[in-house]
Amino acid sequence: GQNIDQPTEMTATEGAIVQINCTYQTSGFNGLFWYQQHAGEAPTFLSYNVLDGLEEKGRFSSFLSRSKGYSYLLLKELQMKDSASYLCAVNRGDYKLSFGAGTTVTVRA
Amino acid sequence: DAMVIQNPRYQVTQFGKPVTLSCSQTLNHNVMYWYQQKSSQAPKLLFHYYDKDFNNEADTPDNFQSRRPNTSFCFLDIRSPGLGDAAMYLCATSRDLEAYNEQFFGPGTRLTVL
Repeated sequence: GQNIDQPTEMTATEGAIVQINCTYQTSGFNGLFWYQQHAGEAPTFLSYNVLDGLEEKGRFSSFLSRSKGYSYLLLKELQMKDSASYLCAVNRGDYKLSFGAGTTVTVRA
Repeated sequence: DAMVIQNPRYQVTQFGKPVTLSCSQTLNHNVMYWYQQKSSQAPKLLFHYYDKDFNNEADTPDNFQSRRPNTSFCFLDIRSPGLGDAAMYLCATSRDLEAYNEQFFGPGTRLTVL
């Protein structure tokens, strides 16, 4: 089976940094995606990692360690609009995505 | 703007009454997916089309069917909805089946079964 784990909830203050961890055990691996999903809206693409290391894109960065089955999404200079659910999704190598249940991030003023 | 559109955004049906959810895309993508997402759970892939080729997930109930009459449209038919089928249904597209192709999601249809 496919197992993707991420924390259920995280709370942080506006302007702070939050790191959302994702660990995975899947039948195959061909890249990991992070999506942002605001309440009642569609998931939107944030990042894709297939090689080990850190990918930086503005305030958001994503890290992957394939040997450890581990990724994190780093959100810097948090803004109120960053309050959302963040979904980790693994491409299993069969062109299908297995999603984690999502981490709900609440940003407080 | 190119996008994925789902109608309706909210659908209420009665137990056992067939219902159809629709999805359209202006991205001209080859692949269309249907996911079921229950509250606080991960999106679960039901099936996908690569062009006209239909691919069903092994654990998708027979109660769920899909049609893709052309590149732009894809439908999800639930033949006899049960209370357990109440969920958000997400349609997504991707250009192709390459691993790096991100999936573009529609806003979802929230289905309520009375």
